[in-house]
Amino acid sequence: EAGVTQSPTHLIKTRGQQATLRCSPISGHTSVYWYQQALGLGLQFLLWYDEGEERNRGNFPPRFSGRQFPNYSSELNVNALELEDSALYLCASSLAGGAGEQYFGPGTRLTVT
Amino acid sequence: RKEVEQDPGPFNVPEGATVAFNCTYSNSASQSFFWYRQDCRKEPKLLMSVYSSGNEDGRFTAQLNRASQYISLLIRDSKLSDSATYLCVVPTGDSNYQLIWGAGTKLIIKP
Repeated sequence: EAGVTQSPTHLIKTRGQQATLRCSPISGHTSVYWYQQALGLGLQFLLWYDEGEERNRGNFPPRFSGRQFPNYSSELNVNALELEDSALYLCASSLAGGAGEQYFGPGTRLTVT
Repeated sequence: RKEVEQDPGPFNVPEGATVAFNCTYSNSASQSFFWYRQDCRKEPKLLMSVYSSGNEDGRFTAQLNRASQYISLLIRDSKLSDSATYLCVVPTGDSNYQLIWGAGTKLIIKP
C-alpha cells in the first residue's frame, strides 16, 4: 500500500514569492496534517484538515494557508515568502479520530533565498 | 510548565546497554500517548502507542504513570540503529484531537 506522498521534494523560491506544496494521504485516511521543521528544531504544527474542513491551526501567520480536496489530498500555500520560512514541510495523514497515529510523508524541503 | 516536556539529550549510550527517558505532560485529561522516532533529516515514524498502563514491543517498553503525569520509553539491548530522536506526542483538547509534540530526546548509540 502506498504511503503518504509529497511533492515537490525540493523547492527553491525567492523572498516575496508564493510556494505551493502538495500531499496525498494514505488511502482511507481522511485527516491531513501539516508541520514545519526548521533545521535542527522540533516539529511545529501548522494545520489540520479533516473531511475537507480546517479543524485546527497552529501559531502561524495567515500567509500560511491550505485546503483539502474531495479526494482528501491537500495543498499548503505559503504567500509572501520570508527567509525564515526555509524548512522541511512535513505532511502526515491519519484515520478519522486517529490523530495520535499519524503517518508522515518524506517532506518538501523549501529554501527561500 | 510546558504542555509536553522532554530532556533534549543527547543521551550517549554504549551498544547493548539499556536506556530510558521520560516525557512529562501537563494535561491530566489526556487519554493516549505516542512515541515516534525521527532519524536525522527524515520524517517521524510511529514507534509505539500507549493507551493504558504501558506497552511492550520487542526491546521497547513504554510505560505510563498517570499519577505523576509522565510516560517513559525503555530500550533494552540497544543497537546502533536505535540512534535517533524520540518524540513524545500527547493528544489533548476536546476529544483528544489536538496533538502536542515534544521537542524530542536525541539518542546516540556508540559502538
